Amino acid sequence: ETGVTQTPRHLVMGMTNKKSLKCEQHLGHNAMYWYKQSAKKPLELMFVYNFKEQTENNSVPSRFSPECPNSSHLFLHLHTLQPEDSALYLCASSYRFSGGAESGDTQYFGPGTRLTVL
Amino acid sequence: DQQVKQNSPSLSVQEGRISILNCDYTNSMFDYFLWYKKYPAEGPTFLISISSIKDKNEDGRFTVFLNKSAKHLSLHIVPSQPGDSAVYFCAASLRSQGNLIFGKGTKLSVKP
Repeated sequence: ETGVTQTPRHLVMGMTNKKSLKCEQHLGHNAMYWYKQSAKKPLELMFVYNFKEQTENNSVPSRFSPECPNSSHLFLHLHTLQPEDSALYLCASSYRFSGGAESGDTQYFGPGTRLTVL
Repeated sequence: DQQVKQNSPSLSVQEGRISILNCDYTNSMFDYFLWYKKYPAEGPTFLISISSIKDKNEDGRFTVFLNKSAKHLSLHIVPSQPGDSAVYFCAASLRSQGNLIFGKGTKLSVKP
């Protein structure tokens, strides 16, 4: 496997279910991210992990719970979701470092999980 | 309020011609900019980036131009090919933070 992988690719769940999304990166990166993409909206950053430590939580409801057991794996645990949470959930990874003036953090994305909440 | 704006939701171009995708930003502190391409049912794919110390970066058929005074960047694709048909996202960041702020995207259609 290369790059960033996500499972499952599609998920349908009821509002009372509990499910988890999984992301794995094979790029040797040290930062991982969860994004949400809803129809006609920009990608919204949900969570950031640097070196397995959560550094950002953009006011995401507690029904979304991230977990980063190591620098290669990232989970998003879902419980009691609402229909408006239906969206494409994207995982990304990057290598965070203090590079030169021309460098920056390029994030590489997985294929996403299409989530439908009934 | 959106910090990164792509005001054209769609663009249609003839094969072989130039495609120009535009992006405006409001935060003058942004110092790193990227373009991603996204096909349906796939995640965004990194295309090209530019640092704020440069005004142009070229990679094959893709060139990104940065105008800091206007807070504007553009992606030029020449010659355009049907396989370039996708949604293109502009993103900006502060290198000290690393988090990307995305625009809503522009859907490019390249007609044979």
